[in-house]
Amino acid sequence: SQQGEEDPQALSIQEGENATMNCSYKTSINNLQWYRQNSGRGLVHLILIRSNEREKHSGRLRVTLDTSKKSSSLLITASRAADTASYFCATVNTGNQFYFGTGTSLTVIP
Amino acid sequence: DAGVIQSPRHEVTEMGQEVTLRCKPISGHNSLFWYRQTMMRGLELLIYFNNNVPIDDSGMPEDRFSAKMPNASFSTLKIQPSEPRDSAVYFCASSEFDEKLFFGSGTQLSVL
Repeated sequence: SQQGEEDPQALSIQEGENATMNCSYKTSINNLQWYRQNSGRGLVHLILIRSNEREKHSGRLRVTLDTSKKSSSLLITASRAADTASYFCATVNTGNQFYFGTGTSLTVIP
Repeated sequence: DAGVIQSPRHEVTEMGQEVTLRCKPISGHNSLFWYRQTMMRGLELLIYFNNNVPIDDSGMPEDRFSAKMPNASFSTLKIQPSEPRDSAVYFCASSEFDEKLFFGSGTQLSVL
C-alpha cells in the first residue's frame, strides 16, 4: 500500500495545549500535505510542504518534513475546541497521485 | 465558486442494483480524483483523471467499478452490480495544476 500512517491514531488534549501528529510514508514524494476532516464532511486542505523544504508555518500550524526518515509532523499550537477533527497527511508523488494516511483523531477538551 | 458538488448525498440500495455517483469539479480545475473512505481501509484512491483522461485506475477494486469523465465539468463513478462490501463514503476531489485538493461533501452509500 502507498498509504502513509499517522501516529497516534487518537489524541485527546485540553484546550490551550499543543497537539503533535506524525506521519510516516514509504515512497518518494513531490510534496506532502495535511488535511482536516470534520465528522461527516469532506477533507479540507491545511498546508503543503515540498520535498526540498524542511519546515513551514501557517498561523497556529507548523509542519516539518524529514525526507531521509520519510516522516512529517504537524503541530497545532494553543489548541481550541474547534480544532477537534481528524487530521490526515497526504503524500503526492511525481505522478500526481495523492495517497492519504490513516488519520489522527484529535479531541480538544474545553 | 460553489466548490466540488457531489450527488446524491446519501444512497441506499439493494445488493445487485446499479449505483451511479456524480461529481462536478470546480471550474478550471484540470485534475479529478475519486476516493472511497471506510473505517477499515481509510481513504483509498480509486481513480485519477487529468484533463478528462483517466491516468491511474489501479485503485478501482474490480470490474464492477467504472468511472468516466465525459467533459471537464462532470464525472461519474458507477458500481454494477453493487454489493454490501461497497458500503462506504465516496469522495470526489479536484485540483488545479496538481496542487491542493478540494473535496466534495461525499456520498454515503449503503448497500443492503
